[in-house]
Amino acid sequence: GAGVSQSPSNKVTEKGKDVELRCDPISGHTALYWYRQSLGQGLEFLIYFQGNSAPDKSGLPSDRFSAERTGGSVSTLTIQRTQQEDSAVYLCASSLGHQNTEAFFGQGTRLTVV
Amino acid sequence: GEDVEQSLFLSVREGDSSVINCTYTDSSSTYLYWYKQEPGAGLQLLTYIFSNMDMKQDQRLTVLLNKKDKHLSLRIADTQTGDSAIYFCAVTDYGGATNKLIFGTGTLLAVQP
Repeated sequence: GAGVSQSPSNKVTEKGKDVELRCDPISGHTALYWYRQSLGQGLEFLIYFQGNSAPDKSGLPSDRFSAERTGGSVSTLTIQRTQQEDSAVYLCASSLGHQNTEAFFGQGTRLTVV
Repeated sequence: GEDVEQSLFLSVREGDSSVINCTYTDSSSTYLYWYKQEPGAGLQLLTYIFSNMDMKQDQRLTVLLNKKDKHLSLRIADTQTGDSAIYFCAVTDYGGATNKLIFGTGTLLAVQP
């Protein structure tokens, strides 16, 4: 596709269940970001992948959160034992990864934990 | 780490100018960006400025950078109702310890007809 694709677009899950959110970046983009946007909040950085470098996981809020990026392309964000405070829109972005390149955002996955 | 702050809300009348402000803490920030998020949509890049510039103009948009005060602003001339959105500033430090984009809290711009 032409843009960053995220799936699912909406996810409702019960508290305590695990969820997986998927991001397909733009082809050829080496950098990939996950952000979280809670209601009334700004963008909270979660994790950053750049090429073959070790990911920057400094934004992950707890060890229930993890992310992988397979083959330098598709990324999956996994939240284990979901809590109500995990409810938010999870945004993925990708870029060419070098200086002054635009980050292109997906439409996000709206996660609701009930 | 880097901290980026914005005011949460701005209301203007159609036709007036809007000024959205942003402050940041990391003086090594090299590229500074403004993104726009319309309701129900993802973020889109509006404009950016390199840290060796003081000003950049792009049609109705003017970006001002005060490096000494670590202050960035976005001025929208002749604001229209279609400009209603959340505006995020973002900074990055390529070549530094990290290349990641750090976003501000976002400013909700409401344009009254």
